[in-house]
Amino acid sequence: EIVLTQSPGTLSLSPGERATLSCRASQSVGSFSLAWYQHKSGQAPRLLIWGAFNRAAGIPDRFSGSGSGTDFTLTISRLEPEDFAVYYCQQPGTFGGGTKVEIK
Amino acid sequence: QVQLQESGPGLVKPSETLSLTCTVSDGAISNYHWSWIRQSPGKGLEWIGCIPRSGSTNYNPSLKSRVTISVDTSKSQFSLRLSSVTAADTAIYYCAGDRNSIIWSFYWGQGTMVTVSS
Repeated sequence: EIVLTQSPGTLSLSPGERATLSCRASQSVGSFSLAWYQHKSGQAPRLLIWGAFNRAAGIPDRFSGSGSGTDFTLTISRLEPEDFAVYYCQQPGTFGGGTKVEIK
Repeated sequence: QVQLQESGPGLVKPSETLSLTCTVSDGAISNYHWSWIRQSPGKGLEWIGCIPRSGSTNYNPSLKSRVTISVDTSKSQFSLRLSSVTAADTAIYYCAGDRNSIIWSFYWGQGTMVTVSS
């Protein structure tokens, strides 16, 4: 079973700053199999990125995904107030533990 | 825009079976891949299982012995059954789906809270 480890656990940043979130897999994951979600309390998770780097419909271009093999990254180029949330990576059958992006 | 709505009891007794239904607004339910995900209080997302368009289910190994996911195309619904529940199964349960992939889900329900307690 592949384990996804996300880091850091919490990221404290200010609006306008760049956020870099990491997702590391315990063994190689096909790039097409990696997705990222945004989750706010009381709401449904929102698909941001599929296939490691493809933005889902309606997702702003400040969100980008990269990586391959065991190391993947979600980057938010300039944080907007609505971007403060928990972010999860996913590969078939498994979610990472999440990274909380909070206002500094 | 496909809309999903979970329904089912909010309270289930220990050792009993949790049953949830997800109603899909798009009548062409068989054109999508469907999944169930949950979030226990204070924890992250946990994948429960899925039923692809092919109908061949896949389940989380840690829950496999207790989980059944099925689709009822006549009612435009898919369902989750989780047997022998304990307090550890208390969670928000989400139904989700995607037209193109069984790996990720674009469409999600709002989630329904299920508490396991006597």
